[in-house]
Amino acid sequence: SQKIEQNSEALNIQEGKTATLTCNYTNYSPAYLQWYRQDPGRGPVFLLLIRENEKEKRKERLKVTFDTTLKQSLFHITASQPADSATYLCALGTGGFKTIFGAGTRLFVKA
Amino acid sequence: NAGVTQTPKFQVLKTGQSMTLQCAQDMNHEYMSWYRQDPGMGLRLIHYSVGAGITDQGEVPNGYNVSRSTTEDFPLRLLSAAPSQTSVYFCASSGPGQGGPDTQYFGPGTRLTVL
Repeated sequence: SQKIEQNSEALNIQEGKTATLTCNYTNYSPAYLQWYRQDPGRGPVFLLLIRENEKEKRKERLKVTFDTTLKQSLFHITASQPADSATYLCALGTGGFKTIFGAGTRLFVKA
Repeated sequence: NAGVTQTPKFQVLKTGQSMTLQCAQDMNHEYMSWYRQDPGMGLRLIHYSVGAGITDQGEVPNGYNVSRSTTEDFPLRLLSAAPSQTSVYFCASSGPGQGGPDTQYFGPGTRLTVL
């Protein structure tokens, strides 16, 4: 069956360190993968998109990698700050406007 | 631009009651969708629309109806509320953005409790 997995356990890191979040999928051939940030009580906000023919994408302190052989995306936040504390969702675009979301990973950055 | 707006923010219903969750967007996006979010689960697609007059079912459509008479509005109707429909509901519209044509813009959500 088709599945998207993100670490269900929260990730706790110290301010200034790099946070790395994982998104694994099975039985999909996504055209692209997106990462969203969600704060408590609010809707998700788009962060980055990476297409199937791209290996890496960067935006300021954010970096996303996409390995279609391993069926995995890694999301990195460098020089993390307490303000980066949130839940991060990965989403697979399979074409035809349908996006499949993972359950998200909570990140806590301690000062 | 207000982006995507949803009303109400909170709602409590009794089993069997019906109600409509409102969603509007002012970005002239053709594609709109409704999701529900439950603890420990990803956003699950309920219904979506690729334009005025065109709707289709998502992953979990049972118990919900939608219509799309204008580009701006995409209401979600609960026909006969059940406790299993207790959830947070998000409306989203999709259009050109940093994430390509499929960047989704979400509303603030409606927290629904069915007793």
